[in-house]
Amino acid sequence: DQQVKQNSPSLSVQEGRISILNCDYTNSMFDYFLWYKKYPAEGPTFLISISSIKDKNEDGRFTVFLNKSAKHLSLHIVPSQPGDSAVYFCAVGYSGNTPLVFGKGTRLSVIA
Amino acid sequence: NAGVTQTPKFRVLKTGQSMTLLCAQDMNHEYMYWYRQDPGMGLRLIHYSVGEGTTAKGEVPDGYNVSRLKKQNFLLGLESAAPSQTSVYFCASSSTPDRATEAFFGQGTRLTVV
Repeated sequence: DQQVKQNSPSLSVQEGRISILNCDYTNSMFDYFLWYKKYPAEGPTFLISISSIKDKNEDGRFTVFLNKSAKHLSLHIVPSQPGDSAVYFCAVGYSGNTPLVFGKGTRLSVIA
Repeated sequence: NAGVTQTPKFRVLKTGQSMTLLCAQDMNHEYMYWYRQDPGMGLRLIHYSVGEGTTAKGEVPDGYNVSRLKKQNFLLGLESAAPSQTSVYFCASSSTPDRATEAFFGQGTRLTVV
């Protein structure tokens, strides 16, 4: 059973608009949440993270929101740019020697 | 600053052949991981290591073996390749496995088994 779900395989947004990518998780023990970005033919790169003690973390155009009661996090990109077109992976983790668990990814296309 | 380097970048194998994928990191990270990425499946953990000389199974370990003889290297072996192992393989490393830092990924190895 999937511990991390990204229910939208793809998302298309116009340049300048907001992109919202969603992620749901099942285990309330998870306490650290990350987003990775992946371009074709490259490895994933870290984008932004949030710990369970916060409900929002902002870095430039990227903001991650965490709703612990709903076991839901989202990534907002404002304004969206064509260079943001990539696959975005949600990843979750918790204390201990346990690796991150990744979602299946959402392919974002930002149309000029 | 090389980060995480994977060798080779591309490979085509015949069913039943064996091969080893090499991952090297120059960040002195304790933790290293092998993932595979398949269409619609995201990143799935094959094996990982929490330090030199240690290995552990991930979500999809069958058909693979690993070794971590040196801290900077993590090898992934396929003893008898199968078409189901056609995938893109990513190695990653981190200083801790969970909350304190993110994982750094290599560029990937695209493996095709025919």
